[in-house]
Amino acid sequence: QIVLTQSPALMSASPGEKVTMTCSASSSVSYMYWYQQKPRSSPKPWIYLTSNLASGVPARFSGSGSGTSYSLTISSMEAEDAATYYCQQWSSNPYTFGGGTKLEIK
Amino acid sequence: EVQLQQSGPELVKPGASMKISCKASGYSFTGYTMNWVKQSHGKNLEWIGLINPYNGGTSYNQKFKGKATLTVDKSSSTAYMELLSLTSEDSAVYYCARDDYDKGFAYWGQGTLVTVSA
Repeated sequence: QIVLTQSPALMSASPGEKVTMTCSASSSVSYMYWYQQKPRSSPKPWIYLTSNLASGVPARFSGSGSGTSYSLTISSMEAEDAATYYCQQWSSNPYTFGGGTKLEIK
Repeated sequence: EVQLQQSGPELVKPGASMKISCKASGYSFTGYTMNWVKQSHGKNLEWIGLINPYNGGTSYNQKFKGKATLTVDKSSSTAYMELLSLTSEDSAVYYCARDDYDKGFAYWGQGTLVTVSA
């Protein structure tokens, strides 16, 4: 199966700071998907097909990458962005998730 | 509005089996694949499998073959996941999630907490 490794596992950022988190795949995937999850809530779709923002996602978010290396970037951190972000590949059964990056606000 | 309403929390004994339901509304139930996802310890997400409500076709994560069985009832727009021979390792929150073609898992149920304990 394709293993997705997210880094860092935990990070914190100040309001206004640029944030970048990465997702590395053990084999090449066609696209990457990202989900945001806050405590006691279900995951929410965040980015699909590597770089497309899901409905309602602020424009300060962006996604990029190809092959085995993908990233999610926040251009300017806001308090509401504090959450855990998971990457997911949908290229190969089983459809695996990364271990998550927990983003905290400083 | 698309909604996925899951059944409530369950406390089950080791060795027992149980079934979680996911009632869909707000869209054509047979038009989209339904997935099931396990979240353990509030963190790790694992894809269990999917079912095509149109024809009942399924695809499973090999890890969950023999552990989970996916079915649907088209008449009530409800998807089901039966979990078999439960152990403490099966204690987790289970989600149903509808995909949206290339947009990934676009809609999620609220999750069902399953606790396996004697």
